[in-house]
Amino acid sequence: DAGITQSPRHKVTETGTPVTLRCHQTENHRYMYWYRQDPGHGLRLIHYSYGVKDTDKGEVSDGYSVSRSKTEDFLLTLESATSSQTSVYFCAISEGSGRSAGELFFGEGSRLTVL
Amino acid sequence: GNSVTQMEGPVTLSEEAFLTINCTYTATGYPSLFWYVQYPGEGLQLLLKATKADDKGSNKGFEATYRKETTSFHLEKGSVQVSDSAVYFCALSDRAGGYQKVTFGIGTKLQVIP
Repeated sequence: DAGITQSPRHKVTETGTPVTLRCHQTENHRYMYWYRQDPGHGLRLIHYSYGVKDTDKGEVSDGYSVSRSKTEDFLLTLESATSSQTSVYFCAISEGSGRSAGELFFGEGSRLTVL
Repeated sequence: GNSVTQMEGPVTLSEEAFLTINCTYTATGYPSLFWYVQYPGEGLQLLLKATKADDKGSNKGFEATYRKETTSFHLEKGSVQVSDSAVYFCALSDRAGGYQKVTFGIGTKLQVIP
């Protein structure tokens, strides 16, 4: 199994507070992704990274920022959490090229509740 | 843009029944197609894939054929087990700018009853 660790796995916070979710990989994969999973929407891409300090927006990036200072770590920050950001967040990694292009390996998810 | 369409379910089957979960897609290029499975409380994991037209992906008794003429990638299994109860996601992958963009369907929940 791919070595991907998400932390925290569960978090309850209040509206307006900052929240940071961490994704750590031991596979040295180039690409890292943050998705959110919501009923009726499947998985939607928030942000992705294609290298250290190289990040870009996905389809639902408003209210989120990311940082990648090391190959193995990809942080997702909610500067001021809102109730609409209550969701399950998944980190994924990918080699991103060759025969395995498009194959994603997922972490176990972080369940965030914003009250 | 790219899109993937699948029914949300739930699909409820008796053990040993035949399973079909339909998936159709829209894409401008020549995408690779995937099925991912999510067991309760876990992240998604790759079930099978096909990278070009007429390819058949298979794994754990599941199979799906990449049909370019009907833009479909339906998932099938001849005899489901209770342990197959999970959410199944169809997905496509295509090169978009500088990265491999993966687009997911909404997921189909499968419940298998003894």
